[in-house]
Amino acid sequence: GAVVSQHPSWVICKSGTSVKIECRSLDFQATTMFWYRQFPKQSLMLMATSNEGSKATYEQGVEKDKFLINHASLTLSTLTVTSAHPEDSSFYICSARDLQQETQYFGPGTRLLVL
Amino acid sequence: AQSVTQPDIHITVSEGASLELRCNYSYGATPYLFWYVQSPGQGLQLLLKYFSGDTLVQGIKGFEAEFKRSQSSFNLRKPSVHWSDAAEYFCAVATGTASKLTFGTGTRLQVTL
Repeated sequence: GAVVSQHPSWVICKSGTSVKIECRSLDFQATTMFWYRQFPKQSLMLMATSNEGSKATYEQGVEKDKFLINHASLTLSTLTVTSAHPEDSSFYICSARDLQQETQYFGPGTRLLVL
Repeated sequence: AQSVTQPDIHITVSEGASLELRCNYSYGATPYLFWYVQSPGQGLQLLLKYFSGDTLVQGIKGFEAEFKRSQSSFNLRKPSVHWSDAAEYFCAVATGTASKLTFGTGTRLQVTL
């Protein structure tokens, strides 16, 4: 089956620093990837849609200058949390759309803790 | 806009018992429906999906789901639950195969031995 990886799996950083999270589709090309945020015991909240070679589309209420998304290739999208603050601590999950399967496949998630 | 409701926040079943997790959606046209499972601290794994055709779809791990247009439902079932099925289950809807997913709030399944 389709595999999506995320790196790192967890990260701890100091308040004010930036953190980059990578999302890779390992065995298929993904023109579209999605970034979600999940709070404890809650559902996934879509943050943005990342399209290869173009600007990301952000959901309402998501600060595009704080959550920078880059989708430079058909297998890699990155999410950079800039000037992170403790309220940015969360579980971030990416997904990649396999056009042939017409399905989104999810990465294992990245747990971010900002001190 | 489409929406998904999972009425049960938490369900507990005994190992070997049958399971049904409820999912209701709201969308004017034919929806694309999915069930995902999430183990603690993990990403989501696709269990099954419905796009068209046979309304009873089979998935992995012995799960199945039935699409009922008249009831706007896509309930997930398993005839005999295993302890390893304990996890969070999410129902999701999309308006097209290339559209973003809208998730329900999830149902946490606990399995007692």
